[in-house]
Parts: sequence; C-alpha cells; structure tokens
Amino acid sequence: QVRLQESGPGLVRPSQTLSLTCTVSGGSISSGDYYWSWIRQDPGRGLEWIGYIYYDGSTNYNPSLKSRVTISVDTSKNLFSLKVISVTAADTAVYYCAREAGSDFDIWGQGTLVTVSS
Amino acid sequence: QSALTQPPSASGSPGQSVTISCTGTSSDVGGYNYVSWYQQHPGEAPKLMIYDVSKRPSGVPDRFSGSKSGNTASLTVSGLQAEDEADYYCSSYAGDNNVVFGGGTKLTVV
Repeated sequence: QVRLQESGPGLVRPSQTLSLTCTVSGGSISSGDYYWSWIRQDPGRGLEWIGYIYYDGSTNYNPSLKSRVTISVDTSKNLFSLKVISVTAADTAVYYCAREAGSDFDIWGQGTLVTVSS
Repeated sequence: QSALTQPPSASGSPGQSVTISCTGTSSDVGGYNYVSWYQQHPGEAPKLMIYDVSKRPSGVPDRFSGSKSGNTASLTVSGLQAEDEADYYCSSYAGDNNVVFGGGTKLTVV
C-alpha cells in the first residue's frame, strides 16, 4: 500500500529556512490521481493546511503562509518537498505530508517534529 | 480563512452516542459538500473517518456517521467504545482550492 515518510532536520534556527522531504512508496506521484500536501500541527493544538503540489508542479498554498512557503516535486525520485523561509518560534510544529484526494487527506505520513530555536 | 469552530471537549459512556459539531460559514462548510472528519490518537497521525460530509472510507466502522445542516457539520459516534477516545478534527473545502481545519474536539469515553 501507499506510504509517506517525512524527513529533515528537527531543529531550525530562527530566521533560517525549514526544509522537509516526503518520500512516497507503494504508488507513483506521477499517476496524476492525487494532490500531495503538507499539513502542520502546533504542539497540543490544531491542524493547519500548508499547501499542495500536483505531479506537474502546479501548487496552491494557504493564503496565510503563501509568502514564505514553497512546495516542489521530484517525480524521478517519487518525492515532494517543503521549504518555509524566515522561520520563527511560531513555526514550531509537527509537520505531516499527506495524500489529498479531492479535499480530504486519506493517507498521512507519521509526522516529524520541527523545533525553531536558537 | 478562519479555522472552523469545534467544541473543545465531548464525552459519553460506553454504548452511548455522542455528536461533535463543526461550524463554519457559507464560504466553507455551508458552501460545499466537502467536509471531512479525522480521528487522532496521541502520538499518531490523523486518520480519515468521514469524507464528502457523510461517506466512510473502507474499514471505518459504520458507528461513525456524518451530516451537515447549513454552516454546521456533525460527526456522530454511536455505540461508543473505549478505543473511540481520541481527538477529532473536521475540515472543509474553502474555495480557491484551499482547505480549512477545525480546532479539534477531545472525545472522552467515561
């Protein structure tokens, strides 16, 4: 079955760039059947949709984060990535990658905690 | 876009039914039949329980049901079981290919 796995640094300094990768196994991003999303969860708080990418590279972002976020895809490696620039403590969260079918997220990665701290 | 409004907590006894509400606006919940519900146990990723307001993915017990009236969607869990104790989040399509989540409801089985 399809699995998603996040990877990347667990600690990022304030004002630096947060970079995460989501590797997809058991299915191809290039199938074109789904969108591939990033979602984050503040510790002890709710979920926030960050944005998605389609296999052709088209993207859509949460308006509140759009100025700082870039999502990219590498279909040859079957992975997609997230970059958030100029991070602050408010960006500390568990970051999930997920497969989006329509407007629902049917498969999630296990999540990775990113802490923004000096 | 603002987060959808959910009660912070809900509770019920084993065997009972409990309903969790999710209130948005005509720009999200009320405007589209694209409401989803997720269950999250501590330390785990969310799990899709309901999509398109009332559809259940394969493997989700039929004790879980969803509905919508106006700008408010609801998740009902019937025949509560101990393993249903978890956090529940709603989400909705919010136009322009955006998705908005609710703040979450902690369901306690007492």
